[in-house]
Amino acid sequence: AQSVTQPDIHITVSEGASLELRCNYSYGATPYLFWYVQSPGQGLQLLLKYFSGDTLVQGIKGFEAEFKRSQSSFNLRKPSVHWSDAAEYFCAVGSISGGYNKLIFGAGTRLAVHP
Amino acid sequence: EPEVTQTPSHQVTQMGQEVILRCVPISNHLYFYWYRQILGQKVEFLVSFYNNEISEKSEIFDDQFSVERPDGSNFTLKIRSTKLEDSAMYFCASSAVGPGNEQFFGPGTRLTVL
Repeated sequence: AQSVTQPDIHITVSEGASLELRCNYSYGATPYLFWYVQSPGQGLQLLLKYFSGDTLVQGIKGFEAEFKRSQSSFNLRKPSVHWSDAAEYFCAVGSISGGYNKLIFGAGTRLAVHP
Repeated sequence: EPEVTQTPSHQVTQMGQEVILRCVPISNHLYFYWYRQILGQKVEFLVSFYNNEISEKSEIFDDQFSVERPDGSNFTLKIRSTKLEDSAMYFCASSAVGPGNEQFFGPGTRLTVL
């Protein structure tokens, strides 16, 4: 069965520091992978997605993620974190059925940013 | 920029009562979804809807749940007889056709069952 694991429940970084959020997935075929961010009181916003091709994908707000098939990972990175990046981050795998994805989410990583 | 909207933002109800959660998907999208997130847990898929019928539903989506697109703009989730364990944040999402297309999420409705 498809699943997503985000090993870190909470991460705290200082503003300006680099960030890496971990995501491991289990999926039988080539996965469709997503990172979403949720700010308090907001819906889920897509940061970036991977379908095929270049394994390093660029997203919004300066985020990037690298797909590593051998490690079943899709880690999210940002070279310099801003205070406004404090939010909850969800990794998801798309279980393809017909013309759409059913998203299977990880438990999320809550990011706190110290000034 | 087009967005998915949901009403109400917070719904409080008594156990056993019926609730209807409303969503207005992005106008040119054809796939619609409901997800839920129980406090402190992961976001879970409930149901997908296309061409006026359910495409797929999870085991959570039992006979107490139903979805409907009553007109050209709204997409609703009905819980017929709410239970305490239905308390959660419910997210609506929509997407264009095609597995690579992004699902756009609404801000959610927080349902509290007393």
